Amino acid sequence: NAGVTQTPKFQVLKTGQSMTLQCAQDMNHEYMSWYRQDPGMGLRLIHYSVGAGITDQGEVPNGYNVSRSTTEDFPLRLLSAAPSQTSVYFCASSYPEQGKETQYFGPGTRLLVL
Amino acid sequence: DQQVKQNSPSLSVQEGRISILNCDYTNSMFDYFLWYKKYPAEGPTFLISISSIKDKNEDGRFTVFLNKSAKHLSLHIVPSQPGDSAVYFCAASADDYKLSFGAGTTVTVRA
Repeated sequence: NAGVTQTPKFQVLKTGQSMTLQCAQDMNHEYMSWYRQDPGMGLRLIHYSVGAGITDQGEVPNGYNVSRSTTEDFPLRLLSAAPSQTSVYFCASSYPEQGKETQYFGPGTRLLVL
Repeated sequence: DQQVKQNSPSLSVQEGRISILNCDYTNSMFDYFLWYKKYPAEGPTFLISISSIKDKNEDGRFTVFLNKSAKHLSLHIVPSQPGDSAVYFCAASADDYKLSFGAGTTVTVRA
């Protein structure tokens, strides 16, 4: 199993540009989520999904959209990038019956918005 | 307002000694607590967890203690090894799969 994969690893955007951060998992996990990590802030939940077709907002959802058309994929869209969205983004997945602790994280996408 | 707080941004410890990381929380609805370890340029990896019905959980060199009345938990690493040098995040959830993270503590183990 590849686990949780994220692409790209690094991206530079100009203010106002749009892009999609890709996340995929091959563990048949129902639950997937997106976090951003900023210095001194830890990881903050952006959006999450408890299954295909179901998404909900986390702590910091503004400026981001998500969709969950399949169990495997959970893309994060930035419609109009802003410098405040410069961060490291992590995708995670888990299978609820295995317990809350088994949230598996991807390697992250480092995003710089100029 | 951060509901999970790690007030020590960094910790330096000599190899072989004990590392103690602390975490405080404010939300009384949290019922599950976790510690994640993160190396540079990698995603966090799960380390150890504890349910609110327990006050201690041990896994090898790692022990987590929970004091519910004080809303405080700690992670003990004994003995500390060079490979333990990483950022450690405390996290908590309230039975809804969503995790609230602390800001992290960077541990450096000196030879």
